[in-house]
Amino acid sequence: EPEVTQTPSHQVTQMGQEVILRCVPISNHLYFYWYRQILGQKVEFLVSFYNNEISEKSEIFDDQFSVERPDGSNFTLKIRSTKLEDSAMYFCASSAFTEAFFGQGTRLTVV
Amino acid sequence: GENVEQHPSTLSVQEGDSAVIKCTYSDSASNYFPWYKQELGKRPQLIIDIRSNVGEKKDQRIAVTLNKTAKHFSLHITETQPEDSAVYFCAARGTGTASKLTFGTGTRLQVTL
Repeated sequence: EPEVTQTPSHQVTQMGQEVILRCVPISNHLYFYWYRQILGQKVEFLVSFYNNEISEKSEIFDDQFSVERPDGSNFTLKIRSTKLEDSAMYFCASSAFTEAFFGQGTRLTVV
Repeated sequence: GENVEQHPSTLSVQEGDSAVIKCTYSDSASNYFPWYKQELGKRPQLIIDIRSNVGEKKDQRIAVTLNKTAKHFSLHITETQPEDSAVYFCAARGTGTASKLTFGTGTRLQVTL
């Protein structure tokens, strides 16, 4: 069964450093999303992406965040200058129409 | 924007009993309501969903009901088993195929022997 894959599974970075989280959505899907989940809390929407542009973004998705689909398979989330409060699990998701499939997540730890 | 409330935050049931988790949403335009199961450290996995043109949907031991007028929907798990222990999240999505999911705060279900 096809699935969304994310790399790395765990990333530790120093405050102020840039990180890039990578995702490979399911191949025939057209809609891509990033969500985050702070430990023990609910899943929060960050950004949606369709047709090579951002469809919607949340208040969390400020100027420090950016997304890119650099080729036909990858979908990346970049955080330019990480803060301690960016520590969370980041989930990529993709959908063809309605149902969203989530990747296994990248646990980002900012120290 | 959409706001989804979920109750209870924790639920403990004995094996074989039923479990019910309830959610309310605020945006009457929301039309898709999935339920996700998340085991510790793993991805949310869709277990059942319902669209706004349907009042109830069942899949083996799991059922979801939707009351559009009251803007609430519920997850029912019958004959619970220890492997049902996990955190369950409800979510709501508005119109538009690329619309985001707004999640509830989660319910930690523990099924005891």
